[in-house]
Amino acid sequence: VTLRESGPALVKPTQTLTLTCAFSGFSLGTRELSVSWVRQPPGKALEWLALLDWDDDKFYNTSLKTRLTISGDISKNQVVLTMTDVDPVDTATYYCARLHAENGFDIWGQGTMVTVSS
Amino acid sequence: DVQMTQSPSSLSASVGDRVTITCRASQSVSTWLAWYQQKPGKAPKLLIYKASTLESGVPSRFSGSGYGTEFTLTISSLQPDDFATYYCQQYKNYFTWTFGQGTKVEIK
Repeated sequence: VTLRESGPALVKPTQTLTLTCAFSGFSLGTRELSVSWVRQPPGKALEWLALLDWDDDKFYNTSLKTRLTISGDISKNQVVLTMTDVDPVDTATYYCARLHAENGFDIWGQGTMVTVSS
Repeated sequence: DVQMTQSPSSLSASVGDRVTITCRASQSVSTWLAWYQQKPGKAPKLLIYKASTLESGVPSRFSGSGYGTEFTLTISSLQPDDFATYYCQQYKNYFTWTFGQGTKVEIK
């Protein structure tokens, strides 16, 4: 089971950030398996962003909900996160991770660093 | 939203020491609590879920306990590979996940 994040390393303020999580070794349509996004600003703590579950239900961090959209493509084994109107405070390493039922995020990607700067 | 507070924020310990990290929730999360280990430049690694269940492959020197609002992660005998930052995470309200601010374990 692996997950790999990809996306731009540099984004300008007010632009939309699009990140892709490509995974293998499991299917998103499998009951009790979900994919989530988590970010970590440099030197700071982890922050959960969004989750797409096996039933195509979507869940968001309440403080970022208006700016986030998560979607999945089961045929491509990909989950995409978009974040609108980015700001320098959104500079962070963005991780995707698999959630196995209620057992925590058991598999993580290596992360992709995104810098928001003009 | 449920807030998670870890203590201490950092600690210094020697190889072989017993180390305990505390995580407190602003309201009861039952046993919906996970612990992760993160090393510099690496993704977090799941250690414990449901407060006390050890993830497969995690050494038995790691243990978790607690219920409601207070939880602990214990490393019974600190090993060189254990120097890292540890995070707790609650998931009481399923699909709303909150992390603590982290505890950095350093070499004394």
